[in-house]
Amino acid sequence: EAQVTQNPRYLITVTGKKLTVTCSQNMNHEYMSWYRQDPGLGLRQIYYSMNVEVTDKGDVPEGYKVSRKEKRNFPLILESPSPNQTSLYFCASSYRGMNTEAFFGQGTRLTVV
Amino acid sequence: AQSVAQPEDQVNVAEGNPLTVKCTYSVSGNPYLFWYVQYPNRGLQFLLKYITGDNLVKGSYGFEAEFNKSQTSFHLKKPSALVSDSALYFCAVSSLRGGYQKVTFGIGTKLQVIP
Repeated sequence: EAQVTQNPRYLITVTGKKLTVTCSQNMNHEYMSWYRQDPGLGLRQIYYSMNVEVTDKGDVPEGYKVSRKEKRNFPLILESPSPNQTSLYFCASSYRGMNTEAFFGQGTRLTVV
Repeated sequence: AQSVAQPEDQVNVAEGNPLTVKCTYSVSGNPYLFWYVQYPNRGLQFLLKYITGDNLVKGSYGFEAEFNKSQTSFHLKKPSALVSDSALYFCAVSSLRGGYQKVTFGIGTKLQVIP
C-alpha cells in the first residue's frame, strides 16, 4: 500500500530536549516536505526537499532542521524545542512537478512544555 | 508572492443540498490548483486538481471544482451533500519559484453537513 508514515503520532516533551520526527514514504517520490498546522493559520511549509541531499527552507524554518540522506526518509529535527513549536506536523511526498498531488502522513501532534 | 484565500471559516449545509466551498488565489503565471480534505485525526487527502483544459474538474467522492481565470477562483462543489462530507477542506496553489516547486495552502474551511 502506498503511504507516508510518520512517527511518533503523539509526543509530549520539555523545552530544550532535542527530538526527531521520522517520515518515510514507499512511493519513490522525489519531493518531500514538512508542514505545521495551527488553528487559523492553515498549513505552513517548514522545509522541503527536491531529492536526496537537496533541501531548502519553506515559510517557517526557524527552529527546525531536516536531512535527506535517502530518498524514502525525511526526518524533522528540533534541536531545542520551545513551546511555540507546539503544533500538528505533517510530512508529505509527491512526484516532482507542479502538477502532482501530495500524499500526506497521518500527522504528529507535538506538545512542548 | 503566491497566496490562497478561503474566505469562510465554516460552511453549514443541510444534507442533500448542494454545497460550495470558496477559494481564490493569486499566482504568477499559470496556476496549478488543488483541493484536499482532512478528516479528524487524519492527514490530508487529495480530492482533485486543475492543471489545464476543461474548467470543470471532477474528483473523488462526487466533488467537482470550477476554475474561473477571470475571477481567479477555484470553488469546490458537490450537488448533494452527505453527512460524511463533514470535514476540513484545504485549497492549494502550486508554482515554480527559483526552479523549485512552491505549494501554498489556504487556512482551511470547515464543512458541516447537518442531517
